[in-house]
Amino acid sequence: QVQLVESGGGLVKPGGSLRLSCAASGFTFSDYYMSWIRQTPGKGLEWVSTLHYGGRTIYYSDSVRGRFTISRDNAKSSLYLQMDSLRDVDTAVYYCARATGGEAFDYWGQGTLVTVSS
Amino acid sequence: SYEVTQQPSMSVSPGQTARITCSGDAFPDVYAYWYQQKPGQAPQLVMFQGTERPSGIPERFSGSISGTAVTLIISGVQAEDEADYYCQSTDRSHNSVVFGGGTKLTVL
Repeated sequence: QVQLVESGGGLVKPGGSLRLSCAASGFTFSDYYMSWIRQTPGKGLEWVSTLHYGGRTIYYSDSVRGRFTISRDNAKSSLYLQMDSLRDVDTAVYYCARATGGEAFDYWGQGTLVTVSS
Repeated sequence: SYEVTQQPSMSVSPGQTARITCSGDAFPDVYAYWYQQKPGQAPQLVMFQGTERPSGIPERFSGSISGTAVTLIISGVQAEDEADYYCQSTDRSHNSVVFGGGTKLTVL
């Protein structure tokens, strides 16, 4: 069955960096767009970034463009999110999700919590 | 930037029909997707392309499109349907994804 497992979350100071990982299994990873979506505790969902299955095309939300970098390793069936220049407002649970047709998020991981605080 | 809007909350009694609406200027030219999120869990896709139900989602879930509004319909609501529901679409002009603010469905 499809599984997505995020890791790498934790507590970081403003201005710091963190790298999230998402290990995928149960499907042909290289056939799918993959995305990161975040959710501030007690609030709604916010799309962060989407990466083409071959890595050729990348999309970012305005709130993270220039600070976050999405990447993937199809040989390892893994998705990554390098987060730099972190701000308090980046505090959230970060979900890895498979994007069917590039638009619909049909499978999600359990999420990893990132807390940005001094 | 493009936005989609939902009512923040609604409540229904068991057995009734819940209609959760999402409004966006780009509908029906772009697809709508619906997610259910229960406390402590990741969201789950319950409707795609506005009216299509993924496998494993109960038949009481359906979708409709009318002008610039899309609606998630839950017929014969059950207690287990109590959750937050999020609408999602795409902003093609900015190559981005947008989520509605979510609707908290309470089953009385």
